[in-house]
Amino acid sequence: EAQVTQNPRYLITVTGKKLTVTCSQNMNHEYMSWYRQDPGLGLRQIYYSMNVEVTDKGDVPEGYKVSRKEKRNFPLILESPSPNQTSLYFCASSLSRTGNTIYFGEGSWLTVV
Amino acid sequence: KQEVTQIPAALSVPEGENLVLNCSFTDSAIYNLQWFRQDPGKGLTSLLLIQSSQREQTSGRLNASLDKSSGRSTLYIAASQPGDSATYLCAVFNYGQNFVFGPGTRLSVLP
Repeated sequence: EAQVTQNPRYLITVTGKKLTVTCSQNMNHEYMSWYRQDPGLGLRQIYYSMNVEVTDKGDVPEGYKVSRKEKRNFPLILESPSPNQTSLYFCASSLSRTGNTIYFGEGSWLTVV
Repeated sequence: KQEVTQIPAALSVPEGENLVLNCSFTDSAIYNLQWFRQDPGKGLTSLLLIQSSQREQTSGRLNASLDKSSGRSTLYIAASQPGDSATYLCAVFNYGQNFVFGPGTRLSVLP
């Protein structure tokens, strides 16, 4: 079954404590990306990756890091989380960047206190 | 920069009605457009993908049309059911840019 898996699904953390949200896809997709979804602001792209070792900033990259060491994995790293990073995060993947069907993970609810 | 809007923001209809959701975009040079469904607190599920060369796509009770020249797409849902209640988002892809999502239309189908 085609899947994008994110972990953790729910997390409450404190300001400044580094955390990583993992993302894995089983479809051999080249393109992966991270979004955050906030009320009234919709879905905004944080970072994306077109292939292994190729990553680039999206619309709201500040405060986040990513890496793409393997094709299937694309973790999102918050080095020093702040309350304004409280949000619902989605990982997504598609065959390529040029607009194939996008598959989303179930989402990760992150609260920073 | 591409901007995507969706009207209405929310819609409530009785079961069995046919309905239309609208998506508008400012830059007509799109590569494709996708419609998604999102259930509360869940991820997005792709419903239909329309390439720029296509005028419409159909899947079951869903039909999506695309008019690039006017910067519009519509999602038509026939014979709506309570299980169709969700938020529907459209997303467009332009060359050299990333996917841009609309804010969504929250649909409630009442039994």
